[in-house]
Amino acid sequence: EDKVVQSPLSLVVHEGDTVTLNCSYEVTNFRSLLWYKQEKKAPTFLFMLTSSGIEKKSGRLSSILDKKELFSILNITATQTGDSAIYLCAGTRSSNTGKLIFGQGTTLQVKP
Amino acid sequence: NAGVMQNPRHLVRRRGQEARLRCSPMKGHSHVYWYRQLPEEGLKFMVYLQKENIIDESGMPKERFSAEFPKEGPSILRIQQVVRGDSAAYFCASSLTDLNTEAFFGQGTRLTVV
Repeated sequence: EDKVVQSPLSLVVHEGDTVTLNCSYEVTNFRSLLWYKQEKKAPTFLFMLTSSGIEKKSGRLSSILDKKELFSILNITATQTGDSAIYLCAGTRSSNTGKLIFGQGTTLQVKP
Repeated sequence: NAGVMQNPRHLVRRRGQEARLRCSPMKGHSHVYWYRQLPEEGLKFMVYLQKENIIDESGMPKERFSAEFPKEGPSILRIQQVVRGDSAAYFCASSLTDLNTEAFFGQGTRLTVV
């Protein structure tokens, strides 16, 4: 059965800290891994990774995929209180279902 | 271009009633996905639909739950004879295609069964 596991489940840091969120996956016919940020409402898309070793970057956020070791990390540098959210990663298969297989999420709290 | 629109945002139903959740995908998107999020849990896939077709319903309970995405109008997730365990946030997502494109989520419908 496909499985996506995130760690840690929760994390408390102070503004300015750098955090690394982990996501490991076991997905049959793996195609891509996606990261979402969920505040109180809809998950909002951050990154989609399909190739190993190529870092994707958006401002203070960056992410990379390792298809050999079956994991991805999401880095956030110089954290701000607005980064407080649940961060979700999800894997997809190459087959035609297109569905996202989510991990449990990492709850990040950034204190002033 | 409006995002994925779900309504209602909040829905309260008594046990045994029916719940209808609506989802209008982003303009031009013909792929719709429904997910359920229980308290303290991640998002769980329920069903994937394209216009007028159910592609994958492997995550949907066999009884009481059904979904449709008609040629015209929103996608509907229908839960008959609701029970307390159906209380959850139900999210809809849409994508342009199912191949290497990200899915965009709606704000969700929070269903409470009393």
